[in-house]
Amino acid sequence: SQQGEEDPQALSIQEGENATMNCSYKTSINNLQWYRQNSGRGLVHLILIRSNEREKHSGRLRVTLDTSKKSSSLLITASRAADTASYFCATSPGTYKYIFGTGTRLKVLA
Amino acid sequence: DTEVTQTPKHLVMGMTNKKSLKCEQHMGHRAMYWYKQKAKKPPELMFVYSYEKLSINESVPSRFSPECPNSSLLNLHLHALQPEDSALYLCASIGGADTDTQYFGPGTRLTVL
Repeated sequence: SQQGEEDPQALSIQEGENATMNCSYKTSINNLQWYRQNSGRGLVHLILIRSNEREKHSGRLRVTLDTSKKSSSLLITASRAADTASYFCATSPGTYKYIFGTGTRLKVLA
Repeated sequence: DTEVTQTPKHLVMGMTNKKSLKCEQHMGHRAMYWYKQKAKKPPELMFVYSYEKLSINESVPSRFSPECPNSSLLNLHLHALQPEDSALYLCASIGGADTDTQYFGPGTRLTVL
């Protein structure tokens, strides 16, 4: 399977703490994206990092990419209860194709 | 308008029924997708249409039949499904200025009895 792996599978933290989740993938990529999914709903795009970038920020989100290790991490700072969701990385090995990682279920406790 | 709409929200069907899922976007996007997602699993790519032509079919069983009547509309025709086909079916599109970002619809929750 080309599917990427994410860890941890589940993460439970207190409001205000930082949350870090990791994604490893298998093929060479053009870009890597992170998505959020609230329970049973559609995915929302969070951030995209291209293969020639190492780090990117968007608000409370920080994404890193290490193409030599085929891995990426997503850091959410100062987490809020509203951040409770599943987070997926998605890699694009070629035109139009996207492969999603296994996902991290984040629970932020108020 | 950055919205992808999907109808119906929920669908219950028997194994002998024929039904269709509908997806619509008015963002002028060039590619549209169907994904299948089981509980606590990631979305799995089923089909991709680019410029109204089928460009990717991930070896999906023929009981799922996609159709792209025009650049804004994507259908998924369902026939003789199995209970294991019960899942959340997600539509997505990409294109425009933000060329690699997928915009997802809310999904159709399908239950096959």
